[in-house]
Amino acid sequence: QKEVEQDPGPLSVPEGAIVSLNCTYSNSAFQYFMWYRQYSRKGPELLMYTYSSGNKEDGRFTAQVDKSSKYISLFIRDSQPSDSATYLCAMSEGGSNYKLTFGKGTLLTVNP
Amino acid sequence: GAVVSQHPSRVICKSGTSVKIECRSLDFQATTMFWYRQFPKQSLMLMATSNEGSKATYEQGVEKDKFLINHASLTLSTLTVASAHPEDSSFYICSARVSPGSTEAFFGQGTRLTVV
Repeated sequence: QKEVEQDPGPLSVPEGAIVSLNCTYSNSAFQYFMWYRQYSRKGPELLMYTYSSGNKEDGRFTAQVDKSSKYISLFIRDSQPSDSATYLCAMSEGGSNYKLTFGKGTLLTVNP
Repeated sequence: GAVVSQHPSRVICKSGTSVKIECRSLDFQATTMFWYRQFPKQSLMLMATSNEGSKATYEQGVEKDKFLINHASLTLSTLTVASAHPEDSSFYICSARVSPGSTEAFFGQGTRLTVV
């Protein structure tokens, strides 16, 4: 079992839809959870950064972490064509082990 | 967020030549930088962790004699692909931690290396 599992998609939705992206993980020591957006041929851009369980909202984006289920989600409300990109989840144990473990990424297309 | 600048964005070189990629933190000091490699439709693979003023720590399977990393200052780390071959063609991305006690990391724009 891989440490981080993420459905690679592709996921195609109409403009204005609510998008749900998810990752599961097996390492219970992960404490820090991130979502990155990566456009084609570009470096990843940090969207959300959360610690431990709970929700965090930033504009149209909401990140949820459920450590008991080892499951994290990113919701995008009122999706726009400009949201079309690959979304990567990443997580870290923190402390002395600050390395990020990434999911494979989900390719999202928002159709106008 | 913090800004990490990576250059060049794209490079094409002949087989056998060496290529240097620069990664700079523009508005913060980065004691630790990371170098990743990404294949098409794949996730990021960590190659090495670069600490300012000390030798880089390489991940298992990464040839340190081929991928030379130098972190000479708190704002600059370089990756040199020595004697590049076509199989080294890939997308290389650096990232930097905002602070020593944080796992939050920001990425450069990436470098597309093509070895012909």
